[in-house]
Amino acid sequence: GDSVTQMEGPVTLSEEAFLTINCTYTATGYPSLFWYVQYPGEGLQLLLKATKADDKGSNKGFEATYRKETTSFHLEKGSVQVSDSAVYFCALTTNLGSARQLTFGSGTQLTVLP
Amino acid sequence: DGGITQSPKYLFRKEGQNVTLSCEQNLNHDAMYWYRQDPGQGLRLIYYSQIVNDFQKGDIAEGYSVSREKKESFPLTVTSAQKNPTAFYLCASSMRHQNQPQHFGDGTRLSIL
Repeated sequence: GDSVTQMEGPVTLSEEAFLTINCTYTATGYPSLFWYVQYPGEGLQLLLKATKADDKGSNKGFEATYRKETTSFHLEKGSVQVSDSAVYFCALTTNLGSARQLTFGSGTQLTVLP
Repeated sequence: DGGITQSPKYLFRKEGQNVTLSCEQNLNHDAMYWYRQDPGQGLRLIYYSQIVNDFQKGDIAEGYSVSREKKESFPLTVTSAQKNPTAFYLCASSMRHQNQPQHFGDGTRLSIL
């Protein structure tokens, strides 16, 4: 079945450091790919998405490129802030007949220190 | 503002008791979903619904039940048959298209007394 593998955490960085969180996937067909962020005690918020190969999603300084040849969707940010501390989830859509299911990675906890 | 409202934020269950978690959306989305989140893990799908009066089991439906009598509402009941119900429960909704993202509520944290 479809699956998502994320870089294990926790990840601890200093403010203004470069961030990469690796995400690879296994899927049949052509899934859409997403990054969600979860702040403590809250639900998930969509951070960015890409719907086809070579698409680049971007938001709030975060970027990820849909790489079909390496089945990857790595999340990057050039300069992290303390406010970026959260759990990040990579996800893809899979078919449920006529419905769509999100398949999630296990999440990566990011802590940014001042 | 449009969004998804889950209530209550915290819920406690006694042995042998059924509890119901509320989920309401005003985004005019057709599809709604319930996920369970355990510490250090990703989200797992419990139930989903694409239209009113129709719903399907997800990966971990045992011990749970749902209804979809209105487009806006998709309540989840955690029954006494669910032996390990302590978790964070998230409701989501989306338009019925693969490229549309799911929007999430703020979750309900269920604990056992």
